[in-house]
Amino acid sequence: QPVLTQPPSVSASRGASVTLACTLSSGYNNYRVDWYRQRPGEGPRFVMRVGTGGIVGPKGDGIPDRFSVLGSGLNRSLTIENIQEEDEGDYHCGADVGSGTNFVFGGGTKLTVL
Amino acid sequence: QEQLQESGPGLVKPSQTLSLTCTVSGDSFSNGRFYWSWIRQPAGKGLEWIGRVYASGRTSGSTDYNPSLKSRVSMSTDRSKRQFSLRLTSVTAADTAVYFCARTGGYSFGGPVSYYFDLWGRGTQVTVSS
Repeated sequence: QPVLTQPPSVSASRGASVTLACTLSSGYNNYRVDWYRQRPGEGPRFVMRVGTGGIVGPKGDGIPDRFSVLGSGLNRSLTIENIQEEDEGDYHCGADVGSGTNFVFGGGTKLTVL
Repeated sequence: QEQLQESGPGLVKPSQTLSLTCTVSGDSFSNGRFYWSWIRQPAGKGLEWIGRVYASGRTSGSTDYNPSLKSRVSMSTDRSKRQFSLRLTSVTAADTAVYFCARTGGYSFGGPVSYYFDLWGRGTQVTVSS
């Protein structure tokens, strides 16, 4: 099964753009990845799914247009434009690796808005 | 709006059994489209899927577990209470984490059906300590 790798932390200034990386381990370039946002003190919330062709299916409820994804090779990145304070939190990428019978997650990236 | 709420002891002694319950407020609990999962997050670490249970129809109660935890995990449902539960036996300090329950939906999106977690609880801290 694939391993998902994320940088531990990223920071960006309010109003700027940031790209959060999620990299699949070698040989798993066909996998789709799901992004989740977790604000402090809350449970995660589904953001959107990304495959090699970009977004797969609809965004999660309440996710603004400022959020987009890109999939290429082993990379499944999430880009946030015009960053707001409310975007601060932990971002997790995850994947269904067993048709619902097994799942894996990356280590998560903490996004700090300066 | 549908919500999930975890409940259970916040402190468990080593070698004992961790037991948590998730209560689902809403009508989707017995909807055949969904499974119900437990996921945990140790402090400073990433998420770890523990397992899932099904709560609908003839296969209600069927489960799938993370292979790394399978020998210690069991899950069950109580459809009359719209609840599902987690039991984790022989706990150690490594089981200290925030535990989340999550609704797990299967979607095709033009390809094979695959699953993701489309609704989560707020999580509950469980500490394993004597």
